[in-house]
Amino acid sequence: EVQLVESGGGLVQPGGSLRLSCAASGFTFSSYWMSWVRQAPGKGLEWVANIKQDGSEKYHVDSVKGRFTISRDNAKNSLYLQMDSLRAEDTAVYYCARVMIVATTTGLDYWGQGTLVTVSS
Amino acid sequence: AIQMTQSPSSLSASVGDRVTVTCRASQGIRNDLGWYQQKPGKAPKFLIYAASSLQSGVPSRFSGSGSGTDFTLTISSLQPEDFATYYCLQDYNSPWTFGQGTKVEIK
Repeated sequence: EVQLVESGGGLVQPGGSLRLSCAASGFTFSSYWMSWVRQAPGKGLEWVANIKQDGSEKYHVDSVKGRFTISRDNAKNSLYLQMDSLRAEDTAVYYCARVMIVATTTGLDYWGQGTLVTVSS
Repeated sequence: AIQMTQSPSSLSASVGDRVTVTCRASQGIRNDLGWYQQKPGKAPKFLIYAASSLQSGVPSRFSGSGSGTDFTLTISSLQPEDFATYYCLQDYNSPWTFGQGTKVEIK
């Protein structure tokens, strides 16, 4: 059974840092792109970042470029999101998700339960 | 970035109704579009990929269509468990972008 379990969320002051983790199990983690998606309270979904199987390619949404970094450790079956210079508008539930690839198309086929990040003084 | 415009933002429907949600891309995205269902307090669930391919385990009352800039999610006969918010997501190029969501409520 595919499982994705996020951790590391919490309350942090503006300008602070936080590192989210996502523990993957039930599939060959090193064979899949992975993503982070967030959802601010009462708002819609926002894609945050993607990372290739070997970590050689990474993409981030403009609003977090230079502040957030996606990374992975295939030996530990883990995905990470390092979040620096946090702002109030980064307050959200952060989900990790697996990127399904079928032929030339993709999608986010499995999601974790999410971890809440609150940026407030 | 490609903008995804979903409509309507909300709708009220009864069990058994046929429901249609549309998503329009600001530029052509071939068929690189997926649909997701989210219930309150839960993670999104993957319904459809490549605009019209049903994800394994998803009931056949869900269907998708479209290509280029205009896409549609249809629920042929709304069931009680289908009341939720639906999002489209373009994965044609980075940054991937979601539509703003369509909340399907009970009439």
